[in-house]
Amino acid sequence: AQKVTQAQTEISVVEKEDVTLDCVYETRDTTYYLFWYKQPPSGELVFLIRRNSFDEQNEISGRYSWNFQKSTSSFNFTITASQVVDSAVYFCALSGAGYSTLTFGKGTMLLVSP
Amino acid sequence: DAGVIQSPRHEVTEMGQEVTLRCKPISGHNSLFWYRQTMMRGLELLIYFNNNVPIDDSGMPEDRFSAKMPNASFSTLKIQPSEPRDSAVYFCASSRDRQETQYFGPGTRLLVL
Repeated sequence: AQKVTQAQTEISVVEKEDVTLDCVYETRDTTYYLFWYKQPPSGELVFLIRRNSFDEQNEISGRYSWNFQKSTSSFNFTITASQVVDSAVYFCALSGAGYSTLTFGKGTMLLVSP
Repeated sequence: DAGVIQSPRHEVTEMGQEVTLRCKPISGHNSLFWYRQTMMRGLELLIYFNNNVPIDDSGMPEDRFSAKMPNASFSTLKIQPSEPRDSAVYFCASSRDRQETQYFGPGTRLLVL
């Protein structure tokens, strides 16, 4: 069975602060894929990143960065210098290599205040 | 390229009525997924198709729900009869292949009174 835990239900920060969203996963697969999606107040689900289990290199995209650590089964997401437009619910998700269904975490609501 | 298209975006209906949600996947994508999102249960997979064939429908709540994919560019999710507990946001997603990234449509917000 697969499981994704996002322990932080809600985070509030002030603009320009850095914030890290935690994601811990459980799987018995040796090959798997991890994802982050963003759901802004408008409701759509926006794909942010996909990593496979063999690639532990951290990734940076503008103000976004991701830290993948297999040793702790974590795939954390950091927003540097947060902005009001970053306010959204962020979902971490996992899929195994043998099937294509996504297991989502419960999501973390990020509120960035001006 | 156009993303996943869903219609209607909002639907309000009365209990007992039939509801049909529609989805057009991204052109060239072979896999299509229907999800439901509620506050209580979060995002849950209802059914997914690969090359127009239903592969896993274990998430479909009950016989009142049915889904079809008559061709590669169209899928429907039907609820008959609808009940208030079906109120949710229904998302359609597609991916190039089974294990590729899923791209989501804007969702259909369904309210059953």
